[in-house]
Amino acid sequence: AQSVTQPDIHITVSEGASLELRCNYSYGATPYLFWYVQSPGQGLQLLLKYFSGDTLVQGIKGFEAEFKRSQSSFNLRKPSVHWSDAAEYFCAVGEGPYSSASKIIFGSGTRLSIRP
Amino acid sequence: GAVVSQHPSWVICKSGTSVKIECRSLDFQATTMFWYRQFPKQSLMLMATSNEGSKATYEQGVEKDKFLINHASLTLSTLTVTSAHPEDSSFYICSANIAGLEETQYFGPGTRLLVL
Repeated sequence: AQSVTQPDIHITVSEGASLELRCNYSYGATPYLFWYVQSPGQGLQLLLKYFSGDTLVQGIKGFEAEFKRSQSSFNLRKPSVHWSDAAEYFCAVGEGPYSSASKIIFGSGTRLSIRP
Repeated sequence: GAVVSQHPSWVICKSGTSVKIECRSLDFQATTMFWYRQFPKQSLMLMATSNEGSKATYEQGVEKDKFLINHASLTLSTLTVTSAHPEDSSFYICSANIAGLEETQYFGPGTRLLVL
């Protein structure tokens, strides 16, 4: 069965510093991978996704993620964080074939705090 | 594009009453919608997959008679929490896929339910 692990529950970085959030997945075939961000009391916003092709994926808000099959990882990065990036970040893996009925399995989330 | 709305955004009800939550795709058609539940500081747990014109598929451990799902059109799915109890208090989030396109899920802003 598919699973997603986000080993860091909470990370604090200084504003302007670089950021990397870790994500490891377990899936038998080529996974569909996502990063979502959730602000307090809000729904989820898609940051970026990987289905195939270039393993370095660019997303919104200056985020990027790199798919590394050998490490079963899909880490999220940002070169310089802003105070507005403070939120909960969820990595997710898409389940099943390429169809609109596929389910998404979410990791446990990483809470990002920004130090002024 | 790909905006999903939920109504209401929050609701407080007495124990034993039923509560209906609506999920709408505003600018696209969604043959599949998903309902999630999120407890404080936890990840999203998939409750059920809702397909237009057919019965919803519930995840293991989710009571289908407790959480009634109706997907009457390509833009609307409803979740009714029947005979709500305090333990049903949670954050309920829906998502939808764009029919015929990629299997990315777009999320609504969530509905916070408090059962007294």
